[in-house]
Amino acid sequence: GAVVSQHPSWVICKSGTSVKIECRSLDFQATTMFWYRQFPKQSLMLMATSNEGSKATYEQGVEKDKFLINHASLTLSTLTVTSAHPEDSSFYICSVRQGALGYTFGSGTRLTVV
Amino acid sequence: GQNIDQPTEMTATEGAIVQINCTYQTSGFNGLFWYQQHAGEAPTFLSYNVLDGLEEKGRFSSFLSRSKGYSYLLLKELQMKDSASYLCAVMDSNYQLIWGAGTKLIIKP
Repeated sequence: GAVVSQHPSWVICKSGTSVKIECRSLDFQATTMFWYRQFPKQSLMLMATSNEGSKATYEQGVEKDKFLINHASLTLSTLTVTSAHPEDSSFYICSVRQGALGYTFGSGTRLTVV
Repeated sequence: GQNIDQPTEMTATEGAIVQINCTYQTSGFNGLFWYQQHAGEAPTFLSYNVLDGLEEKGRFSSFLSRSKGYSYLLLKELQMKDSASYLCAVMDSNYQLIWGAGTKLIIKP
């Protein structure tokens, strides 16, 4: 399956600042990447589908102006949490789908907003 | 609506066998996945079922009944490292994954 690298693994930021998370597909050209958020003891929640060269598709209830997604190349998608607040503290995970199967996840980013 | 149900938490003894059930109701079906997720880490792939029956892979087996909307993950010869959350996910008609909340498995010596 695909190899997915996510950076950073963890980040602590002050309330009101912005944080960028990178997701790289190292050995597979991914036209589509997925961004998930997972709160403690809860399931993965799909935030948005990142499409190379076009706008991301956001799930209902996810603010597109707050969670900026850029997928400028076939190997890189970025998620920027703008004006972060403590309630944005969560585990953010990206994934790549290789064909009909083979969802591979990045290692995740633990965001803590203080 | 779409719904995936699995138990919140299960406890088992090292060396024993445990079965984690998952029932689902989704718009379309293109397969069911089981993932293992250790605390603070991303999920890792365990199994994929799209046809009815049992798929065996080492100590782990996964079963699917499409008519019943039911799957289970069977873990044999439990080891302490198997303590993790086990996530059931169904791929719907749009090839999107619908996730269950996960089952936290606690292994006791």
